[in-house]
Amino acid sequence: QVQLVQSGPEVKKPGSSVKVSCKASGVTFTSQTISWVRQAPGQGLEWMGRITPMLDIENYAQKFRGRVTLTADESTTTAYMEMSSLRSEDTAVYYCTRDLDGSGVLDVWGKGTTVTVSS
Amino acid sequence: DIQMTQSPSSLSASVGDRVTITCRASQSINTYFNWYQQKPGKAPKLLIYAASSLQSGVPSRFSGSGSGTDFTLTISSLQPEDFATYYCQQSYSIPYTFGQGTKLEIK
Repeated sequence: QVQLVQSGPEVKKPGSSVKVSCKASGVTFTSQTISWVRQAPGQGLEWMGRITPMLDIENYAQKFRGRVTLTADESTTTAYMEMSSLRSEDTAVYYCTRDLDGSGVLDVWGKGTTVTVSS
Repeated sequence: DIQMTQSPSSLSASVGDRVTITCRASQSINTYFNWYQQKPGKAPKLLIYAASSLQSGVPSRFSGSGSGTDFTLTISSLQPEDFATYYCQQSYSIPYTFGQGTKLEIK
């Protein structure tokens, strides 16, 4: 059974960076594609980007390109989302999801990591 | 980017009702289309993929249809656990985009 376990909540100052982790189990990690989706308080879902470790390919939504970096550590089966230059509008729950065969079907979700950006 | 427009934004219904939610894409996406359910404080859950395929474990009262630009999610007989927010999503091209959500509330 595929599981994605995310790191705990973060509180950050504006201008700083945050790195959220997502550990996968029950699946061959290198062949998976992991997408990241965020949800601001009371708002809808926003796709940020995806990474396929086996192919060493990352794709980003234009809005996040240059400010978000997706990485993966195959030895620990963990994906990471790092966001820099944080601002208050980045306050949200960040989800990692399995992007099934890179199809865009997001069939397994982590529980989410709350990132609060506040001075 | 492909825009996804859901309607209605909110909906009040009773247990046992038949409910339909619609979603329209700003361009044709074939059947690269998915529906998710989200309950408060929880991660979204995949209900329907490829427009009409029921995800494993999802009750058969949920069904999806459509292709091209217009899609529907139907719940044939609402159950108490179905009151949630529903999102559509296109997986035709990157960036994947979601509808704004439909909040289904108890009447």
